[in-house]
Parts: sequence; structure tokens; C-alpha cells
Amino acid sequence: AQSVAQPEDQVNVAEGNPLTVKCTYSVSGNPYLFWYVQYPNRGLQFLLKYITGDNLVKGSYGFEAEFNKSQTSFHLKKPSALVSDSALYFCAVRPAYNFNKFYFGSGTKLNVKP
Amino acid sequence: EADIYQTPRYLVIGTGKKITLECSQTMGHDKMYWYQQDPGMELHLIHYSYGVNSTEKGDLSSESTVSRIRTEHFPLTLESARPSHTSQYLCASSTAGGEVNPEAFFGQGTRLTVV
Repeated sequence: AQSVAQPEDQVNVAEGNPLTVKCTYSVSGNPYLFWYVQYPNRGLQFLLKYITGDNLVKGSYGFEAEFNKSQTSFHLKKPSALVSDSALYFCAVRPAYNFNKFYFGSGTKLNVKP
Repeated sequence: EADIYQTPRYLVIGTGKKITLECSQTMGHDKMYWYQQDPGMELHLIHYSYGVNSTEKGDLSSESTVSRIRTEHFPLTLESARPSHTSQYLCASSTAGGEVNPEAFFGQGTRLTVV
């Protein structure tokens, strides 16, 4: 079965420290990978994607993500967290063999403390 | 500007009422989706559409229905609202596939409360 796992319900970091939000997936083939952010009472905002090429992809608001094919992981990172980064983050996968669906992780709440 | 719109943003309605949540996109996307999300929690796909006159049920069973008469419009209807339908409903759209902009685009959501 296809699945996306975000093993941490919550991540706490201090402002100015680096942050990592983890994502692993179990999807056949070479899927497309995405990260989204959700602020309270809002929809999901696209942050970045991996399709092919360089394993480190850069996205909006200083976020980046590292794709690791052997570990089937796509962890979200930022070198220096801001309080305004506090939000809910979702990892998503779109199988290349079936473009009809997106598989979303369960979400990770990021808390950045001043 | 290309975008995806949901109306209303917030809706409080009595039990037994019929409601329609609107979703429109101006990006010409073939695929559209409805997700149900409880506060701070994971997304559940309840309906999707490949294109005009095509609709499919998602992974989570829902008493709602959808229609796709026009490419840009994908409304969701509840014939008789119940308190168990209280949730946030998110609409999304995407291209048919391929490497050009394969990501999904989301509307701002409709927060529905049934009293």
C-alpha cells in the first residue's frame, strides 16, 4: 500500500536554530515529492517539490528539502527558524505511475519559540 | 491571476439543512479534489474528478456529493447537514500530470459548523 509517514506529531525548536521535519514514503517507482505549510484556518500553501535532479531542492521562505532515494525520505529543513515558521507542515507524494492521487502525511506541528 | 477559490470561508448552519460548498479554479486544471480535515489533523480525500462529467469517491466515505459540469467548478453538496459533518473542507486542483507544475493548489478552505 502507498503511504507517507511523518513520524513526529510535533517539533519544537528555538528561534535561530536549524529545523528538520521528517518525511518518509512508501510509493512505487519514482514519485514526485512535495512539502506544504498550513496556517490556522487556511488552506495548504505549496513550499517546494522534488521531481528529478539535484537531491537538495530549495523552496519558499528559506526552506529546503533533501531527497534520499535509498532511504525513501524527503526531510524538510531550514538553517535558521523564525517564530513565524510555526505552523502545520505536510509532506505529500504523487506517484509517477498514477497521477490521479496525492498521498499526504499526517502532518507535523512546528513550534518555534522566541 | 490564476487561483483557486472557495466560498463561503465560514458557515454555521442548522441540522437538516442542505448546503453547497463552492470551489472554482482559474488555472484550467483537469483534476480537482475535495479533502476533509479536522482541526490540526490529517487530510482525508472524500471526492475527486479527472475532468468534466467525471467524479470519483475518495478514500474516506462521505455523505456529500459532487458534480463537475464545467472544468473550473467543482461544488460539494450535503443534502441534510448533521453535526458529524462539522469540519474544514479543502478544495484543490492540479494538472493531469507530468513534470510541469505537478503540485496541487489549494483553496483557503471552508470551515463548516453544523449546530
